[in-house]
Amino acid sequence: EAQVTQNPRYLITVTGKKLTVTCSQNMNHEYMSWYRQDPGLGLRQIYYSMNVEVTDKGDVPEGYKVSRKEKRNFPLILESPSPNQTSLYFCASSRARTDTQYFGPGTRLTVL
Amino acid sequence: AQSVTQPDIHITVSEGASLELRCNYSYGATPYLFWYVQSPGQGLQLLLKYFSGDTLVQGIKGFEAEIKRSQSSFNLRKPSVHWSDAAEYFCAVGGNRDDKIIFGKGTRLHILP
Repeated sequence: EAQVTQNPRYLITVTGKKLTVTCSQNMNHEYMSWYRQDPGLGLRQIYYSMNVEVTDKGDVPEGYKVSRKEKRNFPLILESPSPNQTSLYFCASSRARTDTQYFGPGTRLTVL
Repeated sequence: AQSVTQPDIHITVSEGASLELRCNYSYGATPYLFWYVQSPGQGLQLLLKYFSGDTLVQGIKGFEAEIKRSQSSFNLRKPSVHWSDAAEYFCAVGGNRDDKIIFGKGTRLHILP
């Protein structure tokens, strides 16, 4: 089954404790991205990757890092989480930047 | 610059009634347009997309959308809604391969029994 998986689905952490949210897709897609969803703000892109070892900032990259060492994986790293990063995070993949995006189930992060 | 606006934050309709969700876009060339649905606790799922061709696009779950370039609109329609259609709906616009997709802020659909 074609899918995008994210782990963990739920995470509660404390300020400053480094964390990683994993994302994996099995569709051999070149393009992957991370979004955060906040009430009233819709989806905002954090980072994206056009291919392996190619990543770039989206609209709200501050406080986040990503890496793309393999085509299927695109982890999101929060080196020092802060409460304003409490949000619902989605990973997505697609064949091309403006093609249909396939979304993961989301990760709800709470930073205390 | 490309942008997309969904004027309605919330929409409430009765089960069995018709539905139209509004989406207005701004894009300098021929846009790629999408409608996604997000059910509670889930990720976004594509309902339909427009790249070129017929102005009326059919999607899954009985949804359709029509691009009206003179009005820069891409409204989503369904002739008869079901309780399971209660969800949040996102319109998105993109362009050629180098442009990113921009999402609207979403419209939450409530269904009255």
